[in-house]
Amino acid sequence: NAGVMQNPRHLVRRRGQEARLRCSPMKGHSHVYWYRQLPEEGLKFMVYLQKENIIDESGMPKERFSAEFPKEGPSILRIQQVVRGDSAAYFCASSPSPQGSSNQPQHFGDGTRLSIL
Amino acid sequence: SQELEQSPQSLIVQEGKNLTINCTSSKTLYGLYWYKQKYGEGLIFLMMLQKGGEEKSHEKITAKLDEKKQQSSLHITASQPSHAGIYLCGANYGNNRLAFGKGNQVVVIP
Repeated sequence: NAGVMQNPRHLVRRRGQEARLRCSPMKGHSHVYWYRQLPEEGLKFMVYLQKENIIDESGMPKERFSAEFPKEGPSILRIQQVVRGDSAAYFCASSPSPQGSSNQPQHFGDGTRLSIL
Repeated sequence: SQELEQSPQSLIVQEGKNLTINCTSSKTLYGLYWYKQKYGEGLIFLMMLQKGGEEKSHEKITAKLDEKKQQSSLHITASQPSHAGIYLCGANYGNNRLAFGKGNQVVVIP
């Protein structure tokens, strides 16, 4: 399966713990996007990364959230000191070229459902 | 304010009937993408529209983009239970992300 792979599918954390969400893009895709889907809301952009670079993090909360896409390995979305409001579905998407300059579709993974106790 | 409005919010149709859902943008689109999401699952890419007046079809699903590139419709002919789900439209406004509407929930009654 050459699709976007996210893990874990479900993650439960207690308040104050750290959550790490992983995303492996489709083969040949070097552009990764993270989105968050809250209940009753649409998908909201969080961050756009290329290998080893954060290109646009304008959708990321200023504190506790960080993302990386290292030269080797998956992209990681990290949430420190989680709070109840972080409970959501987090989706990763990838594309072969930048979304802004091309109309290549983004392909999405199945998401990680984060629940905070 | 929401850049993309999808209507109707939810729709219930009898199997075999046609249905149309709409996506309206507050500004001109570089591109418009339709995705389908089933509960608890990821987004499945359906179609991409770029040019004003463009129309694309895949199996029983047809999507159109108006001449002004601000509104798209998605039409399903002879709906089946497999068409049930949430349809999301995503807009490319020339920046580094897609902006999404809240979705159209489609229920098909056998």
